[in-house]
Amino acid sequence: GQNIDQPTEMTATEGAIVQINCTYQTSGFNGLFWYQQHAGEAPTFLSYNVLDGLEEKGRFSSFLSRSKGYSYLLLKELQMKDSASYLCAVISSSGGSYIPTFGRGTSLIVHP
Amino acid sequence: DTEVTQTPKHLVMGMTNKKSLKCEQHMGHRAMYWYKQKAKKPPELMFVYSYEKLSINESVPSRFSPECPNSSLLNLHLHALQPEDSALYLCASSQPGLAGGHEQYFGPGTRLTVT
Repeated sequence: GQNIDQPTEMTATEGAIVQINCTYQTSGFNGLFWYQQHAGEAPTFLSYNVLDGLEEKGRFSSFLSRSKGYSYLLLKELQMKDSASYLCAVISSSGGSYIPTFGRGTSLIVHP
Repeated sequence: DTEVTQTPKHLVMGMTNKKSLKCEQHMGHRAMYWYKQKAKKPPELMFVYSYEKLSINESVPSRFSPECPNSSLLNLHLHALQPEDSALYLCASSQPGLAGGHEQYFGPGTRLTVT
């Protein structure tokens, strides 16, 4: 089975930098996605990591260490609109199928 | 077009009703997914269709019956649901093989209430 752990809630100040961590234990690891979900809306894709290292995409960066079962999402120059839930999703392979499992999500509150 | 559409947006049904949720995408994706999401919880995978064939059923009760009539459409037929089935039902699509970095595109969801 999969075990994915993220902090439940984080707060940060507008303009600051915040790092949201995700640890996982899984068999057949095949990549990790980060999604953003505003309340009452569908998740939207932010980033994907399958190899160790940092992927940068504008204000958002994501890091993966497969040996440690660890990823983080880094958000820079925080804006009020970044207040949302951030979901870490681990992809595992089983019998030729790819199964996404989501973490519980981290609720980020950005205040002025 | 990078949109996944779902209908209806809201649905209220009794425990003896039969209803269907619909999902459509025109991105040429050959994998489609149904998720169930309760408030303040992550999406839980229910079913995966790959090339119009059911490839994953995450031990979902038989009162939920998926159908994939063609590569653009995905239905979820509901019958004899329980109040605890009330949730947001999300549809998503992607290219098959998420390991290739093919992210899922999510629809806006159907908010289901079972009375």
